[in-house]
Amino acid sequence: EAGVAQSPRYKIIEKRQSVAFWCNPISGHATLYWYQQILGQGPKLLIQFQNNGVVDDSQLPKDRFSAERLKGVDSTLKIQPAKLEDSAVYLCASSSSTRSDEQYFGPGTRLTVT
Amino acid sequence: AQSVTQPDIHITVSEGASLELRCNYSYGATPYLFWYVQSPGQGLQLLLKYFSGDTLVQGIKGFEAEFKRSQSSFNLRKPSVHWSDAAEYFCAVTLQGGKLIFGQGTELSVKP
Repeated sequence: EAGVAQSPRYKIIEKRQSVAFWCNPISGHATLYWYQQILGQGPKLLIQFQNNGVVDDSQLPKDRFSAERLKGVDSTLKIQPAKLEDSAVYLCASSSSTRSDEQYFGPGTRLTVT
Repeated sequence: AQSVTQPDIHITVSEGASLELRCNYSYGATPYLFWYVQSPGQGLQLLLKYFSGDTLVQGIKGFEAEFKRSQSSFNLRKPSVHWSDAAEYFCAVTLQGGKLIFGQGTELSVKP
C-alpha cells in the first residue's frame, strides 16, 4: 500500500512570495489533514477535509493560507504572501474516516521563509 | 482548554536501559490517546493507541503505554532501548472527530 505522498520536500522562498504544497493521500482515505509543525513544537492542525468538504479550519490563517481538495482525493495548501513565521514543516495526513482511526502521515514539506 | 503536556523536552538514556516518556492531558472526558515517533526528515509513525479497554497497550518496536485515568497520564515505556530508538516522540489526543492535539514532543538520545 502506497503511503501519503507530499511534494516538494523542501522549499525556500523570500517573504511576501507565494508557495504551494501538494498532498496525495492513501487511496480510499476520505479524510485528509494539513498540520503545521514549527521547530521545537508538536504539529498543529490547520485544516481537515472529509472528502472535498471542510470539517475544521479554525486554526487556518485565512488571510494568507488557503487549501482545497477539489475531487476529494489530492489536496493543495497555499500560502500567499508568506511571512517569516511561516517557516515550518507542513505535514499531510489521511485516515479512512473522521472517527479516531489512525492517521497516516506523509514525510512533510520543510518551508524556509527568508 | 484542551492540552497535552510532555514535561521532558530532552531525555538521554544508555543503550539497553529502560525508558519512560511522560504524557499528561487535560480534557473534560477521556480522549483517545496516541504515541507517535518522528525520525529526522521523516513523517510521524504511530507507535500505539488507546481507545478503551485494557489500560496497558502494546505497540510496535517493543513499546508499551499505560493509561491512568486518575492521573490523566499516558506514559510510554520500553524495557530496553536500542540506538535506533533515538528520535522525537509525540503524545497526542483526540476526542471523536479526528483532530489530533499534540504535545510539544520529547527528544530521545541514546548513548552507546
